[in-house]
Amino acid sequence: GAGVSQSPRYKVAKRGQDVALRCDPISGHVSLFWYQQALGQGPEFLTYFQNEAQLDKSGLPSDRFFAERPEGSVSTLKIQRTQQEDSAVYLCASSYSYQGARKEKLFFGSGTQLSVL
Amino acid sequence: SQELEQSPQSLIVQEGKNLTINCTSSKTLYGLYWYKQKYGEGLIFLMMLQKGGEEKSHEKITAKLDEKKQQSSLHITASQPSHAGIYLCGADRDAGGTSYGKLTFGQGTILTVHP
Repeated sequence: GAGVSQSPRYKVAKRGQDVALRCDPISGHVSLFWYQQALGQGPEFLTYFQNEAQLDKSGLPSDRFFAERPEGSVSTLKIQRTQQEDSAVYLCASSYSYQGARKEKLFFGSGTQLSVL
Repeated sequence: SQELEQSPQSLIVQEGKNLTINCTSSKTLYGLYWYKQKYGEGLIFLMMLQKGGEEKSHEKITAKLDEKKQQSSLHITASQPSHAGIYLCGADRDAGGTSYGKLTFGQGTILTVHP
C-alpha cells in the first residue's frame, strides 16, 4: 500500500474488555514497531518485529499486552482486560531497515486512539 | 526525568518569524530524528542526523546535531501556518552505529503560527 494503515482509528472499550488493533505496514518493509503515545507525551516503544520474529518486547507494560505478526506482514496488538491507564494512541511504524543494517527512517501510521471507560 | 528534553514545550509565533526548537539528551546520542505530528495523525519524518556537527536542510527547516553537547536544534525560517504542529525529536541509542528504529522520543513541542 501507499502508507502504513492502522485500524480501527478509534476504539472505545469498557474496562475489562479485550481489544485488537491492526497494522498493515508498507509492502516489503522488514521491520515493524508498535509505539504507545499518551496524551501530551512523545511515543514510547512497545515492541519490534523483524519479519515474523518478535525480537524485542521490552516496552510492553504488562503481560496483558500481546503482539503478533505471523506472516511477516500484518501485525496485531492485543490488549487483554483493558484498564483505564491503557487509554492512549497506539502507533505502528515500519521500515526497510532491520537490526544491524544501515539506518532508515520510520514510516508511521495515523494510529488507533483507544479510550477505556 | 526525561531522557530527551525538548524546549520550549510550546511556541506561538507570528507568520514570517524565525524560530528554534531544542532537544537535549541526558545520554549519549548516536543519531537524532526529527518528526512532525498533526493532531490525530501519525508522525511525518523530517530529518535524520547521524554525525556530530551534521546539519541538514529541507525547504525552510534546518536541523543540527551537536554531539558534544548531546543536543540538536531545529530551526524554521520565515514560518508559515503550514508549519504548525507538534515537533518531536527521537534519539537512537544504538552505540554500534546501526539501528533498526527503536527510538526514545522527547515530549514534543507544540508550534502555533498565527497568520
